[in-house]
Amino acid sequence: QQPVQSPQAVILREGEDAVINCSSSKALYSVHWYRQKHGEAPVFLMILLKGGEQKGHDKISASFNEKKQQSSLYLTASQLSYSGTYFCGTETLTTDSWGKFQFGAGTQVVVTP
Amino acid sequence: GAVVSQHPSRVICKSGTSVKIECRSLDFQATTMFWYRQFPKQSLMLMATSNEGSKATYEQGVEKDKFLINHASLTLSTLTVTSAHPEDSSFYICSAIARTSYEQYFGPGTRLTVT
Repeated sequence: QQPVQSPQAVILREGEDAVINCSSSKALYSVHWYRQKHGEAPVFLMILLKGGEQKGHDKISASFNEKKQQSSLYLTASQLSYSGTYFCGTETLTTDSWGKFQFGAGTQVVVTP
Repeated sequence: GAVVSQHPSRVICKSGTSVKIECRSLDFQATTMFWYRQFPKQSLMLMATSNEGSKATYEQGVEKDKFLINHASLTLSTLTVTSAHPEDSSFYICSAIARTSYEQYFGPGTRLTVT
């Protein structure tokens, strides 16, 4: 089942912060975050494997709350290069779904000068 | 980082013809590759899971006779869209999971247009 992402879109000025949420109705094994620029393939940002885990990538970080079955992506001091559509991909806790991801609908981020 | 290539990057074909898309992991071995389809302004939808040396596993609603997948080696998987129709026009993306890590790497995608 597809995870739910929010918000659908956000417009930021350079230097502002934003949070993108991803929630699932099923227990999660892992959450992956990707960013996709228009016309290009998604680019892997980070993977979170453990409940409560937090990771960072430049000024982009994420948390994974296993109990709440959700993950949040934090864009801090946004840069113009952060513009794109962000997808979360979730992997659920069943043996036959290893590596299979369901992607959220995406959150479009536009960073303006 | 690991690189996955796709060929061709863009293809235009006539309705009724077949199109083959290649997905290669260039600097790592991938026991599992995935094929996704993405329609404009939509999310990626998993079509099938391709395991080296075995038959692909298709997601519900994906016709296995229409989308033929062959995973011939640890570095190559192919997707053949048979008897393509205009509604098959889409962005097809493959991904591969490296054996030595858990990260999933995406290919650059193939834009298919069926006229």
